[in-house]
Amino acid sequence: DQQVKQNSPSLSVQEGRISILNCDYTNSMFDYFLWYKKYPAEGPTFLISISSIKDKNEDGRFTVFLNKSAKHLSLHIVPSQPGDSAVYFCAASADSWGKFQFGAGTQVVVTP
Amino acid sequence: NAGVTQTPKFRVLKTGQSMTLLCAQDMNHEYMYWYRQDPGMGLRLIHYSVGEGTTAKGEVPDGYNVSRLKKQNFLLGLESAAPSQTSVYFCASGDGGFQPQHFGDGTRLSIL
Repeated sequence: DQQVKQNSPSLSVQEGRISILNCDYTNSMFDYFLWYKKYPAEGPTFLISISSIKDKNEDGRFTVFLNKSAKHLSLHIVPSQPGDSAVYFCAASADSWGKFQFGAGTQVVVTP
Repeated sequence: NAGVTQTPKFRVLKTGQSMTLLCAQDMNHEYMYWYRQDPGMGLRLIHYSVGEGTTAKGEVPDGYNVSRLKKQNFLLGLESAAPSQTSVYFCASGDGGFQPQHFGDGTRLSIL
């Protein structure tokens, strides 16, 4: 029973345009969310986070939006760059032990 | 600047064989985690540890055992490997709570 879902397995975007990645969750107890980025043959690396008391968090080209009522978050990358080509995972947690539920990931390809 | 190191990177086993995956971190983190990643399923938590000498079950613990004899090391054991355990295994460490986790580069395990 996947509580965190990324329904788009892949996304292709032109360099310089906006990439929008979506993530939906079912557990209303989740109150902290992270996005990770993963290159082939490497482990995931932390990208950006948001807590449930906020609806937006920004870090350079990356912005995460949280809509608690819809149980939906999104990651915006503006402008997209070739180095952004990777798999992006969203993760959610409801406890203090660092146990996160991960989505299946979205493969982003940024084309010239 | 090693971070989280996983050994080995690749391994092929026959059904019924046993093996141990080693994870070592040099960031003095209290919390350590073992995940498996399967196609279309994201990362799923196998076991985790909240400190030296402690272990706890995650989402998919069956068929695996773990030990945390030293703070910097977290071992994942397969006593009798099964084809269903073919996967990519990731180790992570962190400060717990909602803090981001630091991942190793993974171990690709195939069981024939």
